[in-house]
Amino acid sequence: SQKIEQNSEALNIQEGKTATLTCNYTNYSPAYLQWYRQDPGRGPVFLLLIRENEKEKRKERLKVTFDTTLKQSLFHITASQPADSATYLCALAGGSSNTGKLIFGQGTTLQVKP
Amino acid sequence: DADVTQTPRNRITKTGKRIMLECSQTKGHDRMYWYRQDPGLGLRLIYYSFDVKDINKGEISDGYSVSRQAQAKFSLSLESAIPNQTALYFCATSDGTQGTDTQYFGPGTRLTVL
Repeated sequence: SQKIEQNSEALNIQEGKTATLTCNYTNYSPAYLQWYRQDPGRGPVFLLLIRENEKEKRKERLKVTFDTTLKQSLFHITASQPADSATYLCALAGGSSNTGKLIFGQGTTLQVKP
Repeated sequence: DADVTQTPRNRITKTGKRIMLECSQTKGHDRMYWYRQDPGLGLRLIYYSFDVKDINKGEISDGYSVSRQAQAKFSLSLESAIPNQTALYFCATSDGTQGTDTQYFGPGTRLTVL
């Protein structure tokens, strides 16, 4: 079955450092990979989308890479700030077996300390 | 005003009661989804609808039913609530014409079944 794995342990880093979160998947060939941010008790918010034929995507301090051979995406936040503290979810979409739905990972919680 | 709204935001009910959670959107999207989120289990899809006449079961539809009253409204019902349905419930929408399945979430409903 399709499976997405994100590090379930919280990631703690110091303000100003780069945070790197990992998303691995198996038994799936997605057309898109998406990253969402979720604050406690609130709905996820879409951040970035990367397509299967793209290696890297950037938006301000965010960078996403997508390696379809390794079946892995890395999500980077550069110059991290305490306001970046949240849970980050990756989600897969597209592909022949999953039209119209997203498959979400469980999320990794990031804590940025001042 | 928020693009995706959910009512109620919080609800406490008793075992065996019928309860309805409502979702409305002003984004003009054709696709709508209901998820539940439990600690450690991530987001799980309950039902989804690609248009008013199209309703589909997700991975955990048992004990739930839905109604798509209009393009903008999608309701989730628990016919006879049980304690293990205590969770955070999210409604989401997506624009099916874009092909990316990017989803936009409501603020959530925190449901407690005693």
